[in-house]
Amino acid sequence: GENVEQHPSTLSVQEGDSAVIKCTYSDSASNYFPWYKQELGKRPQLIIDIRSNVGEKKDQRIAVTLNKTAKHFSLHITETQPEDSAVYFCAVPPGGSARQLTFGSGTQLTVLP
Amino acid sequence: DGGITQSPKYLFRKEGQNVTLSCEQNLNHDAMYWYRQDPGQGLRLIYYSQIVNDFQKGDIAEGYSVSREKKESFPLTVTSAQKNPTAFYLCASSPQGDNNYGYTFGSGTRLTVV
Repeated sequence: GENVEQHPSTLSVQEGDSAVIKCTYSDSASNYFPWYKQELGKRPQLIIDIRSNVGEKKDQRIAVTLNKTAKHFSLHITETQPEDSAVYFCAVPPGGSARQLTFGSGTQLTVLP
Repeated sequence: DGGITQSPKYLFRKEGQNVTLSCEQNLNHDAMYWYRQDPGQGLRLIYYSQIVNDFQKGDIAEGYSVSREKKESFPLTVTSAQKNPTAFYLCASSPQGDNNYGYTFGSGTRLTVV
């Protein structure tokens, strides 16, 4: 099955700085790469996703970059704010028509005031 | 709850008991999923169903069972064969279609063995 590795497991940044989280995956046929944010005790929520036909996607302070050759994709958060503090998960589906996602182990982001 | 409802929010199980977690969605999604989340860890896939009356095992199916008799419902039973069931259980659904993988999650059930 799909193998997804996410780094780092914890990340602390000063408010206003940038944060970068990286995921690598194993199945070269995967074609969809989402990022989820989970606040303490709550459900994960999709914050941004990218498909394999583009290399970068941006939504305000959040961006995702994809390197299909190297099989990795990254989440970039700029101008971080205290409300960005949460656990972030990457996820990858297997190739083909299968739709179940394999999640990374998560990154606890703490934004220090 | 955003169209997908899990109940109960908290559940306590005695040793040797089977318990069933409910998941209902009104999003008209074809696919539904059950994940387990342990403290400080990611989400691990237990079972998934792409269509009514069909489901497949995920990575950690042992000790769990599911049914999919209706499109809207995908209950998960944690059996006595699951030796370490204490965890946060998340149900999700997604539409079919080549270009739509988006998951909607329920708010979760926290199961504790007492």
